[in-house]
Amino acid sequence: IQMTQSPSLLSASVGDRVTLSCKAGQNINNYLAWYQQKLGEAPKLLIYNANSLQTGIPSRFSGSGSGTDFTVTISSLQPEDVATYFCQQYSSGSTFGSGTKLEIK
Amino acid sequence: EVQLMESGGGLVQPGRSLKLSCAASGFTYNNYVMAWVRQAPTKGLEWVASISTGGGNTYYRDSVKGRFTISRDNAKNTLYLQIDSLRSEDTATYYCAKSVPYFDYWGQGVMVTVSS
Repeated sequence: IQMTQSPSLLSASVGDRVTLSCKAGQNINNYLAWYQQKLGEAPKLLIYNANSLQTGIPSRFSGSGSGTDFTVTISSLQPEDVATYFCQQYSSGSTFGSGTKLEIK
Repeated sequence: EVQLMESGGGLVQPGRSLKLSCAASGFTYNNYVMAWVRQAPTKGLEWVASISTGGGNTYYRDSVKGRFTISRDNAKNTLYLQIDSLRSEDTATYYCAKSVPYFDYWGQGVMVTVSS
């Protein structure tokens, strides 16, 4: 199942509300996770089952969507949120999107 | 605290073999499916292989079938990835991950470079 993320690069200001998108090539119900990967680090799970926040992740992160269209939102962008964000479907096997790189403007 | 620690990477010539290891701690290892995920330099994440709790069922992406072998030793809390007939396109950081089935914990990764 192909996963398409947009945009590939996003620049935003501290305090902005930021939304990243992920589209599945077919219906994946809510079998979607989001990961944050900072430069030189391993990925970290943020969201699973499309909208469940992983333990320890700040509440400014939230996920939504079902079927084929999903988003992750950061309600107020912080400097430490600079990273690349990947979505992953686990409805059939496992496929990642190509990522969205988030920068501070 | 869940910890996953990979080892065994390095610079390898094309066609040679390599075996990666991942030592797990902080959770009941034999209760969880485990996986390997790789990331080529400056590229995205790519699931490579998964193994069931007892090791009897294994799953691979098509591009590595027949060359990669995932295995586990539940007595040693260790996951393995045997990589044979290495190709330049196998150059990547390899992560082991705990699978539920999304990946809730990841190791720090180990680099494999395939070059002559």
